Amino acid sequence: NAGVMQNPRHLVRRRGQEARLRCSPMKGHSHVYWYRQLPEEGLKFMVYLQKENIIDESGMPKERFSAEFPKEGPSILRIQQVVRGDSAAYFCASSPTGQHYGYTFGSGTRLTVV
Amino acid sequence: QQQVKQSPQSLIVQKGGISIINCAYENTAFDYFPWYQQFPGKGPALLIAIRPDVSEKKEGRFTISFNKSAKQFSLHIMDSQPGDSATYFCAASVDSGNTPLVFGKGTRLSVIA
Repeated sequence: NAGVMQNPRHLVRRRGQEARLRCSPMKGHSHVYWYRQLPEEGLKFMVYLQKENIIDESGMPKERFSAEFPKEGPSILRIQQVVRGDSAAYFCASSPTGQHYGYTFGSGTRLTVV
Repeated sequence: QQQVKQSPQSLIVQKGGISIINCAYENTAFDYFPWYQQFPGKGPALLIAIRPDVSEKKEGRFTISFNKSAKQFSLHIMDSQPGDSATYFCAASVDSGNTPLVFGKGTRLSVIA
């Protein structure tokens, strides 16, 4: 069992570019959650998705951020026109149920905006 | 508004000592309290969790103590080892874990020999 796979591990983008972060959940898990960790901060919930559906996006910034979890392939977190404040570690977690306990987190994507 | 306040920010403990990390919360609807351990470059991993119907839960060297009236819970690591050096996060959730986790800011623990 490969666990939750996130790629890339590190991503550098210039201001104004787009960042695409990918997450493949654990085998058998159909629920994916994205969290963001700013420097010296705890993780903050962004969005919860099931296959082809966004269930809860209450933590997503209103502009420039979007997420999807297509029927086939990984979940994608997309950040358009990145700014320096988007620099953070982005973690994906998955679970076999729709509950927020018992998450398995991936190792994260560290986004640096220069 | 920070819903879960964690302290201390950093902690240094001698090998074999007891590490204690505290969290306080404001939302009385929280009913699920997990602790996560995060090593550098890795994602957080669930360590231990408690629900408010018990005041203490122990798993090996790790114990959660829960004080519902004070709205506080703490993690105790007995016989701390250098391999325990990591960042620890407390978290809380409403509705038995059916809502997103709210995390504390983390405590960086260093266990020195």
